[in-house]
Amino acid sequence: GDSVTQMEGPVTLSEEAFLTINCTYTATGYPSLFWYVQYPGEGLQLLLKATKADDKGSNKGFEATYRKETTSFHLEKGSVQVSDSAVYFCALSEGGADGLTFGKGTHLIIQP
Amino acid sequence: DTAVSQTPKYLVTQMGNDKSIKCEQNLGHDTMYWYKQDSKKFLKIMFSYNNKELIINETVPNRFSPKSPDKAHLNLHINSLELGDSAVYFCASSQAQGQNSPLHFGNGTRLTVT
Repeated sequence: GDSVTQMEGPVTLSEEAFLTINCTYTATGYPSLFWYVQYPGEGLQLLLKATKADDKGSNKGFEATYRKETTSFHLEKGSVQVSDSAVYFCALSEGGADGLTFGKGTHLIIQP
Repeated sequence: DTAVSQTPKYLVTQMGNDKSIKCEQNLGHDTMYWYKQDSKKFLKIMFSYNNKELIINETVPNRFSPKSPDKAHLNLHINSLELGDSAVYFCASSQAQGQNSPLHFGNGTRLTVT
C-alpha cells in the first residue's frame, strides 16, 4: 500500500537558519503530494502541493519539488522564523475514497 | 467564516459513556472525513463519506459510527468509550475524490476518557 516517510523530530533550529524536512513516499501510481502544517491547538492547513513530476509547490517562503526519480518531496525554506514553529506533515493522494496518506509528522522548533 | 467547524473542542468523559462529535462544512464539498490523531501526532483515517454514502471504514471498531444527515454534516458517534479512544479527532472535507483535491480540516476535538 501507499506510505509516506518523513524525518523524525523534533527539529530545532535558530531563527534565519535554512530548513530541510525530508519526505519520501511509496505509491502504486502517480500520486499528488502535499505538505500540511499544524500549529499548536489547531487543525491541519494545506501549505503547498504538487501534482506531477518536477512540479514545484511554494507558499509563504516554503518550497518542495516533486522528484519522481527519488520518490521524494522535501520541504525547504531559506530563512525560518519563530512563527514557523509547528508540526509539518507530508502526505500523498492517489484519488478515490482513501483521502490522504500522511507521514508521522515532524515537529519543528525555531529558537530566537 | 469557518470552513470546517467541529464541536465540542474539548470532551472529557468516563469509560463506558456514549458521546458525539459534530462536524459541519460550508464549502459545498462532496466528501467528508474523520481522522484520529494519537498522542504521537500520527494521523489515521477512520471514515469518509461521499454524498451521504460511507465509502471506507479503516478497521475502526463498530463502537464508532458516522452519521451524515446531509452533505454538509458528518457527525461521529462513539459508544461505550474506552481509555484508548483518548485522542484528537479531526473532521475534514474535500471537493471531490480526485487526487488533486486537498483536504480542509477542522480544528479538532480533544477527547479524554477517564
